[in-house]
Amino acid sequence: DQQVKQNSPSLSVQEGRISILNCDYTNSMFDYFLWYKKYPAEGPTFLISISSIKDKNEDGRFTVFLNKSAKHLSLHIVPSQPGDSAVYFCAALMEYNTDKLIFGTGTRLQVFP
Amino acid sequence: DTAVSQTPKYLVTQMGNDKSIKCEQNLGHDTMYWYKQDSKKFLKIMFSYNNKELIINETVPNRFSPKSPDKAHLNLHINSLELGDSAVYFCASSQDGEKLFFGSGTQLSVL
Repeated sequence: DQQVKQNSPSLSVQEGRISILNCDYTNSMFDYFLWYKKYPAEGPTFLISISSIKDKNEDGRFTVFLNKSAKHLSLHIVPSQPGDSAVYFCAALMEYNTDKLIFGTGTRLQVFP
Repeated sequence: DTAVSQTPKYLVTQMGNDKSIKCEQNLGHDTMYWYKQDSKKFLKIMFSYNNKELIINETVPNRFSPKSPDKAHLNLHINSLELGDSAVYFCASSQDGEKLFFGSGTQLSVL
């Protein structure tokens, strides 16, 4: 049973435009959400996170939005750059089980010139 | 200076063999993990250790045995390898359980 879903396996965006990556979750007990970025032949690296008490968190070009009622979060990258081309994983945590990150299957973002 | 390093990067072996993957972190983190990414790209936790103590053991066959000689090392030993064990295995470490630092992965191919 997949509790964190990324329904778009891939996304292609022109350089300079906004990239929007989406993530849905089913477990209402999740209270902390993270995005990881993965380049080929490397491990995922932490990008940005958001607590369930917030609906937005911003870090430079990256903003994560959380809609708890819809059990949906999104990652906005603006402006998109070719170096952003990677696989982006959404992940979720429950406060009482902080050692167990649940990952989505990832969305491959390609930013073209 | 690599933060989380795992070896080997590639591992090709026959069914029935026993193999080990080693992992070391120099970040001073208390918690280390093994994750498995299968052919469908699901990245799932297998084990976590906190200061050498097993914390999480997901429904992983007991052919998989993690060993943590100290908090900077978490090795994964796999007995009697099966075709379905083919995957990419990632080691990771964390201090807060949220921001994980991953190694570059070990691609295991069982023939």
